[in-house]
Amino acid sequence: NAGVTQTPKFQVLKTGQSMTLQCAQDMNHEYMSWYRQDPGMGLRLIHYSVGAGITDQGEVPNGYNVSRSTTEDFPLRLLSAAPSQTSVYFCASTPLWEPGNTIYFGEGSWLTVV
Amino acid sequence: QQQVKQSPQSLIVQKGGISIINCAYENTAFDYFPWYQQFPGKGPALLIAIRPDVSEKKEGRFTISFNKSAKQFSLHIMDSQPGDSATYFCAASHPPNTGNQFYFGTGTSLTVIP
Repeated sequence: NAGVTQTPKFQVLKTGQSMTLQCAQDMNHEYMSWYRQDPGMGLRLIHYSVGAGITDQGEVPNGYNVSRSTTEDFPLRLLSAAPSQTSVYFCASTPLWEPGNTIYFGEGSWLTVV
Repeated sequence: QQQVKQSPQSLIVQKGGISIINCAYENTAFDYFPWYQQFPGKGPALLIAIRPDVSEKKEGRFTISFNKSAKQFSLHIMDSQPGDSATYFCAASHPPNTGNQFYFGTGTSLTVIP
């Protein structure tokens, strides 16, 4: 069982370039989200979605865009990459019906903006 | 403002010793307190979680101690092993406990020396 799958694993971008981080889950979870992980900052929520067609901003949404056309997919778009967006990005999904609402994370995407 | 404060930032323990990581919070609406474990190059994964109706929860060598009046909770790893070397995140959430109500600590890097 694949769980949450993210691509690419590693990416180097030049300042000003745009790109999309792909995320797919095969667990039929309604809730999906994107986090960034930075040293000393923990995990910070970028955007989230409670179902297809519904998205909302998290703690650090600036410079990022998301869409949710299907239950399975939740891509994260960097509109114009900046060095401050150098980070590790984690996609996650959560089953809203499960007691405890465990967050299932992907393996991460390492992004460097030069 | 960090909703969940975690300490220490890093921890080195001898094999067989006890590892203790502490977290504190202010929001009394939090009612679910999970710990996530993250190995290098991987995404975080749920390790153990507690609700405030109990003061302690044990799963194998891992124990959460919860002090509701002090608004503190801690993770104890008994008989620490080199395989426990990882980054540990505490978190707290409030109803309805979906992903955007989760707040993560800044993480503790644990190294267990053989």
